[in-house]
Amino acid sequence: GDSVTQMEGPVTLSEEAFLTINCTYTATGYPSLFWYVQYPGEGLQLLLKATKADDKGSNKGFEATYRKETTSFHLEKGSVQVSDSAVYFCALKSNAGGTSYGKLTFGQGTILTVHP
Amino acid sequence: DGGITQSPKYLFRKEGQNVTLSCEQNLNHDAMYWYRQDPGQGLRLIYYSQIVNDFQKGDIAEGYSVSREKKESFPLTVTSAQKNPTAFYLCASSIRASGGRETQYFGPGTRLLVL
Repeated sequence: GDSVTQMEGPVTLSEEAFLTINCTYTATGYPSLFWYVQYPGEGLQLLLKATKADDKGSNKGFEATYRKETTSFHLEKGSVQVSDSAVYFCALKSNAGGTSYGKLTFGQGTILTVHP
Repeated sequence: DGGITQSPKYLFRKEGQNVTLSCEQNLNHDAMYWYRQDPGQGLRLIYYSQIVNDFQKGDIAEGYSVSREKKESFPLTVTSAQKNPTAFYLCASSIRASGGRETQYFGPGTRLLVL
């Protein structure tokens, strides 16, 4: 079945440091890939997405590239801020068999803490 | 403002009690979802609905029930059969892009605690 593996956390960085959170996946065909962010006590917010190989999703300085050859979708940001402290989830949506609607498969989440 | 609303923010359940979590969206999305989040884990799908009066079980449907009488609303009932209901419950709705690829958007969540 489908699965998503994220790098173990927590990740602790100083402000303005470079961020990478690794995400690899297993899925049939060509899934859509997502990064969601969750701030304490809140729901998930869509951060960025990519729907086909070599697509780059970007938002608020974050980027991730859909790499079919390595089945990866790593999240990066060049200079993190204290306000980026949150939990980050990588997720995939299978499009196998022409599936229109269906579940997202999530990684376990990575806690990011940024210190001033 | 368009969005997804969930209520209440916190809910307390007594032993043997059924409780209902509300989810409403005014985004005109066709599909709606319920996920459960446990500490330190990703989200797991409980139920989802693609159209009014139709819904499908997800991976952890036992002890839960849903209805979809209106496009805007997808309430979740946690029944007394759910023996470990303490969790953060997230509702989502989705839209398909022109290429048929779906994106799900989430509400603010309801935290259910057992007394």
